[in-house]
Amino acid sequence: DARVTQTPRDKVTEMGQEVTMRCQPILGHNTVFWYRQTMKQGLELLAYFRNRAPLDDSGMPKDRFSAEMPDATLATLKIQPSEPRDSAVYFCASGLGGTSGIDEQFFGPGTRLTVL
Amino acid sequence: AQSVTQLGSHVSVSEGALVLLRCNYSSSVPPYLFWYVQYPNQGLQLLLKYTTGATLVKGINGFEAEFKKSETSFHLTKPSAHMSDAAEYFCAVNSGGYNKLIFGAGTRLAVHP
Repeated sequence: DARVTQTPRDKVTEMGQEVTMRCQPILGHNTVFWYRQTMKQGLELLAYFRNRAPLDDSGMPKDRFSAEMPDATLATLKIQPSEPRDSAVYFCASGLGGTSGIDEQFFGPGTRLTVL
Repeated sequence: AQSVTQLGSHVSVSEGALVLLRCNYSSSVPPYLFWYVQYPNQGLQLLLKYTTGATLVKGINGFEAEFKKSETSFHLTKPSAHMSDAAEYFCAVNSGGYNKLIFGAGTRLAVHP
């Protein structure tokens, strides 16, 4: 049963610390998305990749957030330094990424980040 | 540009009653439309999608949605609600290729006995 995995599932840290979240997309998927979900803002797209290349990271605060795909099996989202307003659930999703736009996204279980 | 509006952030129904969750979209190209469900403490999962062809689409767990181009709507229905349907539901429209989606704000469905 192929699924997207995310680690850690929960992270509590103090303001100013670096946070790294990891995502393993489903094998064979070539698009990866990072979302942030909060009660106030709902589901926000932070960045997405196709064939490991960033296509759009306009939703991400550039000064503290960075997203990379070191290889096809790993995507990372890093926050440095973290702030209390970054507290949220961060989701990774992957998909087949065809140009038609009909493919679904498969979501991971999320990383719940709390910044004190 | 594409956008999605979900009418009603919270919907409450009795067990066994009809579920109707509303979604309207805006798209400059023929849309592909999706409904996702999020159960507590989980990621989103696909309920159903409309791409082309039949405008009434059936999904998992007894849900269905009808694409109405004239009304720019894609409302989600289920004839009889079950307690296990309590969740948050998101409508989404494709935004260009590479399966990037624009999500609505979500509707939280409560089912009471």
